[in-house]
Amino acid sequence: DQQVKQNSPSLSVQEGRISILNCDYTNSMFDYFLWYKKYPAEGPTFLISISSIKDKNEDGRFTVFLNKSAKHLSLHIVPSQPGDSAVYFCAASFDYKYIFGTGTRLKVLA
Amino acid sequence: EAQVTQNPRYLITVTGKKLTVTCSQNMNHEYMSWYRQDPGLGLRQIYYSMNVEVTDKGDVPEGYKVSRKEKRNFPLILESPSPNQTSLYFCASSLFGGSYEQYFGPGTRLTVT
Repeated sequence: DQQVKQNSPSLSVQEGRISILNCDYTNSMFDYFLWYKKYPAEGPTFLISISSIKDKNEDGRFTVFLNKSAKHLSLHIVPSQPGDSAVYFCAASFDYKYIFGTGTRLKVLA
Repeated sequence: EAQVTQNPRYLITVTGKKLTVTCSQNMNHEYMSWYRQDPGLGLRQIYYSMNVEVTDKGDVPEGYKVSRKEKRNFPLILESPSPNQTSLYFCASSLFGGSYEQYFGPGTRLTVT
């Protein structure tokens, strides 16, 4: 049973446009949500997080939105840059455990 | 430089031959964790540790052991590896669990034949 789902395996976006990556979860006990970016042959790197008591968090070009009633979060990247091309994982945390989604491969076209 | 190191980076072994993958962090982090990444399954947590001598199971602990005798080190032990443990393994650390960002190591690609 996949508690955290990223239903889009891949996404292509033109440089300068907005990238929207989506994530759904089933467990209402999750209290933090995080996004990580992963380049090939490297470990994931942290991008941004949000507490379950908030609905939005911004950091530069990255904004995460949380809709608790829909159990849905999204990552917006504006403007998208070619260097953003990577695999993006959403993760949810509860009681020191982390559940990751399966990832979305983002390709930003120059 | 703040980092998480893993060794070895690549390992090919045979079924049943005990192995240890080491993980070390130099950031004085309390929390450490092991993950495996498999195609179509994303990252799955194997074990985590909240502090020295405090460890607990993640989502997929079967076939693995861990220990946390020192704050900086968190080795992953496969007592009797099997082919279904062929995977890409990542160690991670963070100041604490929860909202704190995890710093990941570069990964260890393990093949069990």
